[in-house]
Amino acid sequence: QLQLVESGGGVVQPGGSLRLSCSPSGFTFSNYAMHWVRQAPGKGLEWVALITYDGSSQYYADSVKGRFTISRDNSKNMLYLQMSSLRAEDTAVYYCAKERTGYYIDYWGQGTLVTVSS
Amino acid sequence: DIQLTQSPSFLSASVGDRVTITCRASQGMSSYLAWYQQKPGKAPKLLIYAASTLQSGVPSRFSGSGSGTEFTLTISSLQPEDFATYYCQQLNSSPFTFGPGTKVDIK
Repeated sequence: QLQLVESGGGVVQPGGSLRLSCSPSGFTFSNYAMHWVRQAPGKGLEWVALITYDGSSQYYADSVKGRFTISRDNSKNMLYLQMSSLRAEDTAVYYCAKERTGYYIDYWGQGTLVTVSS
Repeated sequence: DIQLTQSPSFLSASVGDRVTITCRASQGMSSYLAWYQQKPGKAPKLLIYAASTLQSGVPSRFSGSGSGTEFTLTISSLQPEDFATYYCQQLNSSPFTFGPGTKVDIK
């Protein structure tokens, strides 16, 4: 059974850093691109970042470019999102998500909440 | 960057109604568009990809169409479990933006 389990969320002060992790199971992780998508409380979905299946390419939303880094370790079956220079507007539930093909998202994790507040 | 708009932003409908949601792109794109359904407190669910291909396991009352700058999601006969928020997303080029969403509520 396919699962994506995020961890690492919590409360962080503005300007701080946090690393989110996503642990996949039930599929061959190294064959698929992966996304991070976030959703601020009561708001819509915002795409954050994508990394290709082999980690060779990364793409970012303009709102996080230069502050967030998506990475993966296919040998450990792990996906990461390193977040720095965090702002109040980064407060959201962060979802790890798997592509089916063509970058379409067919599976989502349950999400991890990041709160940026002093 | 490709911006997406959705209309309407809110829709009130009854069980059995035919519902159509439109997603418009700021520039022409191929058929790299997906539709998702999200219920409160839950992760989104893929309904349609490549503008018109039904994801496995999704009921056939859902259908998608369109190309270029205008795409539609149609629910042929609204069921109680379909009351949710619907989002489009373009996968044509990075950043892979979502539309603002359409909330479908019970009339």
